[in-house]
Amino acid sequence: GAVVSQHPSRVICKSGTSVKIECRSLDFQATTMFWYRQFPKQSLMLMATSNEGSKATYEQGVEKDKFLINHASLTLSTLTVTSAHPEDSSFYICSARDLGQGAWETQYFGPGTRLLVL
Amino acid sequence: GQNIDQPTEMTATEGAIVQINCTYQTSGFNGLFWYQQHAGEAPTFLSYNVLDGLEEKGRFSSFLSRSKGYSYLLLKELQMKDSASYLCAPMDSNYQLIWGAGTKLIIKP
Repeated sequence: GAVVSQHPSRVICKSGTSVKIECRSLDFQATTMFWYRQFPKQSLMLMATSNEGSKATYEQGVEKDKFLINHASLTLSTLTVTSAHPEDSSFYICSARDLGQGAWETQYFGPGTRLLVL
Repeated sequence: GQNIDQPTEMTATEGAIVQINCTYQTSGFNGLFWYQQHAGEAPTFLSYNVLDGLEEKGRFSSFLSRSKGYSYLLLKELQMKDSASYLCAPMDSNYQLIWGAGTKLIIKP
């Protein structure tokens, strides 16, 4: 149980284009999903917390107009990187809490999406 | 401020035991997680401690002392596939995970 998927796993795009990343909880409902970014050899950086049916809460320094988050259902959250630039190239990872599990605070991670902007 | 301190890198031998220590300072505390992250992959959940003491799960055990702001992850019977980064992540009063850079564990034959 507690499986989280992400799509696509890898994307290469031209500067200025927008990229949408999907995060799905496959076998559980997740009212809260998290979006992280990780640069090589660095720690995970929380970008935003996504709550089903409401606006996402962004961390300080993260542009909400650039990183659009939509949590339309209990099993799906999407992150859209708008007008991507080379500095947005990174490993984007989502996670979700499984409310049905005993330790509801546990976050389960998707496999990540590697974005390369040329 | 919030802070996590783990060794940057450790080396151990296949079949041996290794202990990865973690000290932390957070605004409030709602438990501590250990995650494993292989290079180029997302973290996978290993353990969660919210009370003091040792939690054992197969070859992996995790210990917590809340009064000391200290935890460790103990890996027994090391296998080559255990080569990875191990992330200690305490949860603060807002139920946010605080992430450090983790400990890179290298297993040698």
